[in-house]
Amino acid sequence: DTEVTQTPKHLVMGMTNKKSLKCEQHMGHRAMYWYKQKAKKPPELMFVYSYEKLSINESVPSRFSPECPNSSLLNLHLHALQPEDSALYLCASSLGPFDSYGYTFGSGTRLTVV
Amino acid sequence: SQQGEEDPQALSIQEGENATMNCSYKTSINNLQWYRQNSGRGLVHLILIRSNEREKHSGRLRVTLDTSKKSSSLLITASRAADTASYFCAGHTNAGKSTFGDGTTLTVKP
Repeated sequence: DTEVTQTPKHLVMGMTNKKSLKCEQHMGHRAMYWYKQKAKKPPELMFVYSYEKLSINESVPSRFSPECPNSSLLNLHLHALQPEDSALYLCASSLGPFDSYGYTFGSGTRLTVV
Repeated sequence: SQQGEEDPQALSIQEGENATMNCSYKTSINNLQWYRQNSGRGLVHLILIRSNEREKHSGRLRVTLDTSKKSSSLLITASRAADTASYFCAGHTNAGKSTFGDGTTLTVKP
């Protein structure tokens, strides 16, 4: 299995809703990442998990809450989002946080906040 | 701030021509990666070049790295319509994260 699987592919949520994005990989990768991408912009790093521990938080608002239940799963819990949080949310993984083999990305979750 | 800045922002060529994209970065990196993205979906890793390498080839791709100028280039030879996509460079730092450049949108006309 050489894939990163993200669910759901599309999500529409209200500003008072609570939802979660899910990311899964079975490649034995020990670093996992959340990126946010707005239209026609590059991906922006949000969080890095290294060996199931949060190692980098790029000053992301607390309405985004990451969780890494085990080495294969990464969640992003969403609560009280704003319309400007609408974006493509990408999950990625790599062998380790400092390896030189590149990232494997999922196809993303297209999030719309109404 | 973005690790990488890319030029051109947009490139339109005919099928069969070569496409060259450039990337500059600001901080020290362990390696530099190039990715392709189709239609706002997931990114696909194309090629990685380490900081102690100067040039690398993979199929129709050739990437160069000049650490003294903090710049890299990606050359796609004999382009095809299927190469139409956005291309991003990403510098990977000692902090264990990759930061992406602004990207180049490539259009290859049949």
